[in-house]
Amino acid sequence: NAGVTQTPKFRIPKIGQSMTLQCTQDMNHNYMYWYRQDPGMGLKLIYYSVGAGITDKGEVPNGYNVSRSTTEDFPLRLELAAPSQTSVYFCASRSGGGTEAFFGQGTRLTVV
Amino acid sequence: ELKVEQNPLFLSMQEGKNYTIYCNYSTTSDRLYWYRQDPGKSLESLFVLLSNGAVKQEGRLMASLDTKARLSTLHITAAVHDLSATYFCAVVNYGGSQGNLIFGKGTKLSVKP
Repeated sequence: NAGVTQTPKFRIPKIGQSMTLQCTQDMNHNYMYWYRQDPGMGLKLIYYSVGAGITDKGEVPNGYNVSRSTTEDFPLRLELAAPSQTSVYFCASRSGGGTEAFFGQGTRLTVV
Repeated sequence: ELKVEQNPLFLSMQEGKNYTIYCNYSTTSDRLYWYRQDPGKSLESLFVLLSNGAVKQEGRLMASLDTKARLSTLHITAAVHDLSATYFCAVVNYGGSQGNLIFGKGTKLSVKP
């Protein structure tokens, strides 16, 4: 009954460090998404994937990279952490049918 | 490019009153979601609307979709304090970036006694 699992829940990287946020879903969903949510703001789409091996940029992709080697996993990589990337990151997945998009619990990232 | 606009962005209501949140979107879609978010929490799914004229109700909340007008509404009936949260609509894009899911900026609802 896991759904969408994000790790870690909290992370405090230094400026210039690289790091990866993990996202795994066990629902065999084709579509997966990464969003960032700044305090008091809405969700902005960073990258998304419509299936294994296929990814595409969203609204705010600069400074991030993704890969989708399996249906289950969709990691988000920050190559050079910057203060502007301080945010809460949410991963989501959905099937191609009419079901809702399920969200992970979020990763709170603070770049220092 | 798909744009999703919600209004109002802030809504302060008294308990017992009714109000409507509006969600407009700019390109063709027949898949619209409503979510609720409590402070510091993830997003909780409220409704999935899949076709023109779809209407769904859960408790004091009712959502509808008009795909021709590119408009969805979330109606709140006899508001109670427990409904205080931020509400988001999200639309699946069937245009150039097919499959992406774009959110509105959210409506922060505060229900006061």
